[in-house]
Amino acid sequence: EAQVTQNPRYLITVTGKKLTVTCSQNMNHEYMSWYRQDPGLGLRQIYYSMNVEVTDKGDVPEGYKVSRKEKRNFPLILESPSPNQTSLYFCASSPGGYHGYTFGSGTRLTVV
Amino acid sequence: GQNIDQPTEMTATEGAIVQINCTYQTSGFNGLFWYQQHAGEAPTFLSYNVLDGLEEKGRFSSFLSRSKGYSYLLLKELQMKDSASYLCAGGSSNDYKLSFGAGTTVTVRA
Repeated sequence: EAQVTQNPRYLITVTGKKLTVTCSQNMNHEYMSWYRQDPGLGLRQIYYSMNVEVTDKGDVPEGYKVSRKEKRNFPLILESPSPNQTSLYFCASSPGGYHGYTFGSGTRLTVV
Repeated sequence: GQNIDQPTEMTATEGAIVQINCTYQTSGFNGLFWYQQHAGEAPTFLSYNVLDGLEEKGRFSSFLSRSKGYSYLLLKELQMKDSASYLCAGGSSNDYKLSFGAGTTVTVRA
């Protein structure tokens, strides 16, 4: 089944403890992206990637890192999480242009 | 971001038609996407417009006017399962980079 898989689905962590949210897609898509979704603010793009080793900042990149060493994987790294990074995170992939993005099921992160 | 604006909530009756409007800044804009998101789920892709005009897909249609920075999503023959949030998103950088509006929550009543 064609899908975007992200793990974990739920995560509670403490301020300052490094964490990684994994994302993998099995559709051979060129483009991948991370979003966070907060009430009243909608989806905001954190980082996106056009291909292996090619990434760029979205609208809210501060406090996040990404890497694209393989086409299928696009992990999101929080080096020192803070409570304002408590949010619902979505990974997404796309073959480009008018096809739109296919989203993963989401990761609900709570930083205390 | 592209300052995408759309209404917060709309309510309609089963079987009726609802039109969700979306306005955006035209600078750097490439294409316009609509997504549907049911509560607690991931967004799913509905439509894409890059040229002016109306695109029809079954009960859903999407319209774009590039010069006016305006789009709408038209939902016809509403069903209860259409109760969801509808997200308008403007694409730039060849649509790799998307800016989303806050979403319009549509409630369909019997």
